[in-house]
Amino acid sequence: AQKITQTQPGMFVQEKEAVTLDCTYDTSDQSYGLFWYKQPSSGEMIFLIYQGSYDEQNATEGRYSLNFQKARKSANLVISASQLGDSAMYFCAMREVSGSARQLTFGSGTQLTVLP
Amino acid sequence: ETGVTQTPRHLVMGMTNKKSLKCEQHLGHNAMYWYKQSAKKPLELMFVYSLEERVENNSVPSRFSPECPNSSHLFLHLHTLQPEDSALYLCASSQDLAGGLRETQYFGPGTRLLVL
Repeated sequence: AQKITQTQPGMFVQEKEAVTLDCTYDTSDQSYGLFWYKQPSSGEMIFLIYQGSYDEQNATEGRYSLNFQKARKSANLVISASQLGDSAMYFCAMREVSGSARQLTFGSGTQLTVLP
Repeated sequence: ETGVTQTPRHLVMGMTNKKSLKCEQHLGHNAMYWYKQSAKKPLELMFVYSLEERVENNSVPSRFSPECPNSSHLFLHLHTLQPEDSALYLCASSQDLAGGLRETQYFGPGTRLLVL
């Protein structure tokens, strides 16, 4: 079974609107961390936001917020007020406490296109 | 220079060539990583170094040979590659391996490799 599932290969959003990118994960650990990265066409993976499994509040970083539903094992990324520069691939990733401390497991990504 | 840099950004090589990819981090981190990103596949962790010592090798073929001469530099030596090795090779760094679940990896822009 895949540990990280991103079911939306591609998404479109109108500029200035909000968009939600889905991520579900599979783990039997009680402690784990979830990450979102953005990858523009230039290739660099840019860290966006982190959510710990024991964090009581959903993480927020500027226009990015994480809709964390632990019981559903989902960690959806919400981008508010989309900008043209948000067009990129977005990856969800997880680190488990039982796995290698170095290992991030990545999903297959969602290609977001912001329309003017 | 800031962050994580990688050279070259693009590389075309024949199957009999020998080439090297270089990564340099200017963040004062102690851990460095090589990832492979193939089309339509999640990122694959290849190698992990901590304080110049290799701590993980995820069943990578011997035609890929990493080298970490100091905590700021990481190389990936390539020889007798196959066309299926064509991919984006990403370098990343983090403060420490023992930083816990929240330990964030920071990525370079990658080297796009084409093996003919």
